[in-house]
Amino acid sequence: DSGVTQTPKHLITATGQRVTLRCSPRSGDLSVYWYQQSLDQGLQFLIQYYNGEERAKGNILERFSAQQFPDLHSELNLSSLELGDSALYFCASSVMPGASTEAFFGQGTRLTVV
Amino acid sequence: GNSVTQMEGPVTLSEEAFLTINCTYTATGYPSLFWYVQYPGEGLQLLLKATKADDKGSNKGFEATYRKETTSFHLEKGSVQVSDSAVYFCALSLGRSGGGADGLTFGKGTHLIIQP
Repeated sequence: DSGVTQTPKHLITATGQRVTLRCSPRSGDLSVYWYQQSLDQGLQFLIQYYNGEERAKGNILERFSAQQFPDLHSELNLSSLELGDSALYFCASSVMPGASTEAFFGQGTRLTVV
Repeated sequence: GNSVTQMEGPVTLSEEAFLTINCTYTATGYPSLFWYVQYPGEGLQLLLKATKADDKGSNKGFEATYRKETTSFHLEKGSVQVSDSAVYFCALSLGRSGGGADGLTFGKGTHLIIQP
């Protein structure tokens, strides 16, 4: 158990809908990262937050947004969903940001868009 | 841009065989390098890392050496076990001080199958 909790574990929704994925980081971790894992694109970094502020953006679509709340949990919002958004979404957390810092991953939320 | 290339597999070996999974990278600066492992139905776990050239990361019998001259970070293990069956990801991070982001850039992953 990494200590990172993601909910829900599975989500099935229809095209055009909006969903929210939730992540609780390890106790004491200030930085949260979101990743998307799909068969065609592999694992891609989406976005990073540090202590409530956005720190870096990766390959995140404009239809997607995220935030980190004062209690440090984070939510990833996916809207106007398309079939191609079906993927495993991982949250990771680390104590501090930084290139050499170890990130701890949750078990992921599997999103299926039908 | 930054990228990581690794053999995708599946790689099938017998128990106690020697393992090498090749990983090469392209980066605009001097990244930190990582190997993560993903067991079925689970998230990724850090296996080992190296933060500068010639560093060797090691854990659970696995080793990898940061080779700047060949831009490589090959994963090795002398004697694999059935329990090593998993997907292995090579990754890099430049960080903001390196002109990039803290987020990881991953290879496609190598599916390793160890047969008894």
